[in-house]
Amino acid sequence: QKEVEQNSGPLSVPEGAIASLNCTYSDRGSQSFFWYRQYSGKSPELIMSIYSNGDKEDGRFTAQLNKASQYVSLLIRDSQPSDSATYLCAGEAGTALIFGKGTTLSVSS
Amino acid sequence: EPEVTQTPSHQVTQMGQEVILRCVPISNHLYFYWYRQILGQKVEFLVSFYNNEISEKSEIFDDQFSVERPDGSNFTLKIRSTKLEDSAMYFCASSEVLPAYNEQFFGPGTRLTVL
Repeated sequence: QKEVEQNSGPLSVPEGAIASLNCTYSDRGSQSFFWYRQYSGKSPELIMSIYSNGDKEDGRFTAQLNKASQYVSLLIRDSQPSDSATYLCAGEAGTALIFGKGTTLSVSS
Repeated sequence: EPEVTQTPSHQVTQMGQEVILRCVPISNHLYFYWYRQILGQKVEFLVSFYNNEISEKSEIFDDQFSVERPDGSNFTLKIRSTKLEDSAMYFCASSEVLPAYNEQFFGPGTRLTVL
């Protein structure tokens, strides 16, 4: 059974702080990983994709992948109240994406 | 910016009825998907579709479900005889190329309520 695991949270950080979100996955064959943001009642919105070991930065977001440890993370720098949402980690499995349950982030002003 | 669109936004139906959920994927995308999310639970893969045929389907996608690309723009999910447990948000997604090295973009979803 291919699984993606995330701490459900909530993760609470003050405005301007760094939020660190983590994810582990079971399928060693997965090549690609994605972070989506989901506001309550809305659809998943793609934030970052990462395909190789190491870090990938895009604005305030940095994704990190360690295939040996089967570990993916997302750092959000200078967190804003508008970042408050559920963050979904997803791993590719063939043509499907396997999603974790998501981590709820709350950024207080 | 191009986006995936879905209709209707909310569908209410009686148990045992057939429903068709509609999606218009991003125009230059070649792969199409359906996912569902039961309230409070994770997003679950249902089916992927490429070149007018199913590429992959999950255990959830049983004989009650079918997909079709009836024309050059629409992609539909049909549930033949709805059950109470089919109540969920259904998301359509599309991607430009093979999923292993690409990104899937989701539509706004259709909330299906089965009474």
